[in-house]
Formats: sequence, structure tokens, C-alpha cells
Amino acid sequence: GENVEQHPSTLSVQEGDSAVIKCTYSDSASNYFPWYKQELGKRPQLIIDIRSNVGEKKDQRIAVTLNKTAKHFSLHITETQPEDSAVYFCAARREGGTSYGKLTFGQGTILTVHP
Amino acid sequence: SQTIHQWPATLVQPVGSPLSLECTVEGTSNPNLYWYRQAAGRGLQLLFYSVGIGQISSEVPQNLSASRPQDRQFILSSKKLLLSDSGFYLCAWSDDWEGWQYFGPGTRLTVT
Repeated sequence: GENVEQHPSTLSVQEGDSAVIKCTYSDSASNYFPWYKQELGKRPQLIIDIRSNVGEKKDQRIAVTLNKTAKHFSLHITETQPEDSAVYFCAARREGGTSYGKLTFGQGTILTVHP
Repeated sequence: SQTIHQWPATLVQPVGSPLSLECTVEGTSNPNLYWYRQAAGRGLQLLFYSVGIGQISSEVPQNLSASRPQDRQFILSSKKLLLSDSGFYLCAWSDDWEGWQYFGPGTRLTVT
């Protein structure tokens, strides 16, 4: 089955700096990669996703890049703000009938943005 | 618009007691439904998923079971809780196998 490794497990930055979180996956058939943000005690919220036919996707201060050859993808947050502090999860999914939409999650990264 | 509900929000249960957590989705039909567990400070573990009424697939062998008695209702149960069942239980839904997956507000379960 799919295995997703996420690094680093914790990340501390100063407000205004950039933050990068990296994930690698094992199943070369995976072709959908979402990122979720989970604030303390809350549910995970989808913040951005990318499909395998795209190398990069941006949405304001966040961007995701995908390298299918190397089987890794990354989340980039620019101009970080204290409200970006949360746990971030990457995930991977093989699309198609036999996957039933199941996501495999990374272990999470605790991002702390210091004012 | 679609919404997903879970209840109860928090639950404290003694070891050996039964469990029933409920998840319902509004504003859609025939959703794919998922149960996840998140231990304290850990990642998300998929427990069960369902693609239709009465159709349940288990991802990991454990002390829990799931049922889908109605199209938009998903129930997580246990006959006898263990201490290791403590955690944050999240229900999620998606419109189809290639759609976004949305999470419910979760139930925080503490087994004492």
C-alpha cells in the first residue's frame, strides 16, 4: 500500500519568513496530493491540492510543488503570519475505482510562527 | 451547501463500556464516508470507509466496527472499549472517489 513520509515534524519560523514542508510517497500510481491544516482541537481543513498533471499550484501565500519522478511534493508558505501556526498534513491518493477515494496521510508537521 | 455533523462532541467512557458515535451528512446523496482516528499528537489513521448503504470496508483490525444504515448516516461502534481507543474520531465525506474530502468537527473520546 501507499506510504507517505512527511518532514520536518516540527518547524519554527519568524513572522514574515517562508516555511517549507516536504512529503515523499511510495506508490507511483498516486496522482492526487492534498494538504490539510489542523488548528488545535479543530478538524483538518483542506487548504490546497495538486494533481499529477500539474507541477505547481499557487493560492495567494501558499503553493504546492510536485515532482513525480522523485515522488515528492512540498508545501510552501510565504510571508508567514501567526495565524498560520497549526499542524499541516500532506496526503496522497491513487485515483480510480479501486482506491475508493482513500487518502494516506503523512505524520504531520507542527508549524509555529513567532510574532 | 453540504454540511457534516458528528455527535457527541466529547465523550468520557469507562473501559469495557460500549460506544456509538454518529456522523450525518446533509446536502448531498450517496456520499463516500470515512472514519478516521487521531491519537494525541499523531496523524490520521483511516479506520473504515463506505461507498453505499450497508457497504463497509475495514482498514485495520481492531476493537471497533462501523455501519451505514442510511445513505447519509455513518456509525462507529464498539462493544467493549479499551484504553487504547481514546482519541479524536473524525468522520469525512466526499462526493466521489476523485473529489475533495471534507472532515466533520470530530468527537473527542477519553476512555478511563
